[in-house]
Amino acid sequence: GPKVLQIPSHQIIDMGQMVTLNCDPVSNHLYFYWYKQILGQQMEFLVNFYNGKVMEKSKLFKDQFSVERPDGSYFTLKIQPTALEDSAVYFCASSRTGGEDTQYFGPGTRLLVL
Amino acid sequence: GDQVEQSPSALSLHEGTGSALRCNFTTTMRAVQWFRKNSRGSLINLFYLASGTKENGRLKSAFDSKERYSTLHIRDAQLEDSGTYFCAAEAVGSFNKLTFGAGTRLAVCP
Repeated sequence: GPKVLQIPSHQIIDMGQMVTLNCDPVSNHLYFYWYKQILGQQMEFLVNFYNGKVMEKSKLFKDQFSVERPDGSYFTLKIQPTALEDSAVYFCASSRTGGEDTQYFGPGTRLLVL
Repeated sequence: GDQVEQSPSALSLHEGTGSALRCNFTTTMRAVQWFRKNSRGSLINLFYLASGTKENGRLKSAFDSKERYSTLHIRDAQLEDSGTYFCAAEAVGSFNKLTFGAGTRLAVCP
């Protein structure tokens, strides 16, 4: 089936540093998403993105978070500065349309903030 | 509060048998997806439903928006069906925001 890729698979950084998580969505998809899963907890929605704009974000999407997809390249999640509570697995997803449509998920990036 | 209640949290089946997983919703959902998480942690798409039922091999899923539930039936379970299954639903009025259940850990035994 359609594949979403995420780079890197793992990242360890010091608190206060900046980190960028990269997502390579399915090639003809137009809607992009980030979800966060803290160890032992449920996956939770962070943000969705279409046509260069954030369409909806949750309360987990702090001011230190930003998303973009410059020039149709990677869809990125940037955290600046990072905090200890940002340690989690971050999953990217994409869908072709914004209507009733399947979201396809990447394998996740495991972020550890020390 | 939680909008998706998934049950059971864990399930053990002998090969060849079957069972059903269920998700109840505390609010009206417009669509549901079912996933299986593989051994590497990737989410494998099983079904997307906006209504009715869908079947794929030994799996069958149903979604009733009005009654606020969805089910995933597994029949003739095989060892490779073992894993964690998740439902995730989109609330009416949300912009494709999926709310996940807590998952069902399925173990299929010989």
